Amino acid sequence: AQSVTQPDIHITVSEGASLELRCNYSYGATPYLFWYVQSPGQGLQLLLKYFSGDTLVQGIKGFEAEFKRSQSSFNLRKPSVHWSDAAEYFCAVRGPGNKLTFGTGTQLKVEL
Amino acid sequence: NAGVTQTPKFRVLKTGQSMTLLCAQDMNHEYMYWYRQDPGMGLRLIHYSVGEGTTAKGEVPDGYNVSRLKKQNFLLGLESAAPSQTSVYFCASTLTPGLAGNDPHSGANVLTFGAGSRLTVL
Repeated sequence: AQSVTQPDIHITVSEGASLELRCNYSYGATPYLFWYVQSPGQGLQLLLKYFSGDTLVQGIKGFEAEFKRSQSSFNLRKPSVHWSDAAEYFCAVRGPGNKLTFGTGTQLKVEL
Repeated sequence: NAGVTQTPKFRVLKTGQSMTLLCAQDMNHEYMYWYRQDPGMGLRLIHYSVGEGTTAKGEVPDGYNVSRLKKQNFLLGLESAAPSQTSVYFCASTLTPGLAGNDPHSGANVLTFGAGSRLTVL
């Protein structure tokens, strides 16, 4: 069965600093990978997705992620974090039946 | 276009009471899902449906039942609520992947989520 690991439970960065959130996955076939963001009290919003092709994918709000098959990773990055980026971020992998398996999430705090 | 709508948004139950959460989508999506979100555990799949009249178990189905009598609605029921079912519940839907192939630019494979339903069982 597929699984997703997000090793960082909490991350704190200063506004304007760069950000990298880690995600490692386990899946037997070519993975479909996603990053979702959840603001407090809200549902999940899709940031970006990887299905195939270019391993560097661009998403909304200035985020990007790089798929590295050799490392089974799909890390999320942003060059300059804004205070409004404070939220919880979830990495997910698609399995059979189009079901998503989520990681446990990384809570991002942005210091002004 | 409302997307995915969940009702109610908040509910407090006593142990042993029953209730139903309703998920409605107006996007003509075939697949629908119920997840629960608990601190430190991410989202875990409870049940899902690949079309009207079908349901299947997910990762944590015990204590829940579901029904998909109409394509646009997916109901999650708790017959006898327990404190362990205190959680935030999310519904999601998506197109049938096979219809759109593997086109990464299609809406298939991407789940649209509702805003969540916070349930507290005392």
